[in-house]
Amino acid sequence: EAQVTQNPRYLITVTGKKLTVTCSQNMNHEYMSWYRQDPGLGLRQIYYSMNVEVTDKGDVPEGYKVSRKEKRNFPLILESPSPNQTSLYFCASSFSGAQGTEAFFGQGTRLTVV
Amino acid sequence: TQLLEQSPQFLSIQEGENLTVYCNSSSVFSSLQWYRQEPGEGPVLLVTVVTGGEVKKLKRLTFQFGDARKDSSLHITAAQPGDTGLYLCAGYSMEYGNKLVFGAGTILRVKS
Repeated sequence: EAQVTQNPRYLITVTGKKLTVTCSQNMNHEYMSWYRQDPGLGLRQIYYSMNVEVTDKGDVPEGYKVSRKEKRNFPLILESPSPNQTSLYFCASSFSGAQGTEAFFGQGTRLTVV
Repeated sequence: TQLLEQSPQFLSIQEGENLTVYCNSSSVFSSLQWYRQEPGEGPVLLVTVVTGGEVKKLKRLTFQFGDARKDSSLHITAAQPGDTGLYLCAGYSMEYGNKLVFGAGTILRVKS
């Protein structure tokens, strides 16, 4: 079954404690991205990757890091989480970043930073 | 400021009613997509429209792309409780680096 898998689904952490949210896709997609979803703001792109070892900032990259060492994995790293990073996070993948391409989303990770 | 403005933000209707959700922008989009998101899940693509004036139907859902490719609408006929969810429009615009940008969404609740 084609899918994007995120882990964990829920995470509560304390300010400053480094964490990683994993994302894996089994569709051999080149393009992967991370979004955060906040009430009234929709989905905002954090980082994206057009292929292995190619990553770039999205609209709200501050406080986040990513890596793309393998095609299937695209982890999101919060080196020093802060309460304003409390949000619902989605990983997405698509065949390419080209217009009109369908984006496939994971089930989301609800992060709370206290 | 949202690049894509959706209205209404929230809609609560009775089963059997019709409704329209709007997605507007001042920018031209090369394509627009509509996604539906259920609680606890990620968004799932419903449709992509690419041509100005294009109309696509998906059972009781009708999607339209504006002639100038700056707006889109989603019309649901005879809404059912199973239509309940968050509807998101998203689009690709050269003006925005040709990457996928999302509206804030419309929460639809259909009561039986």
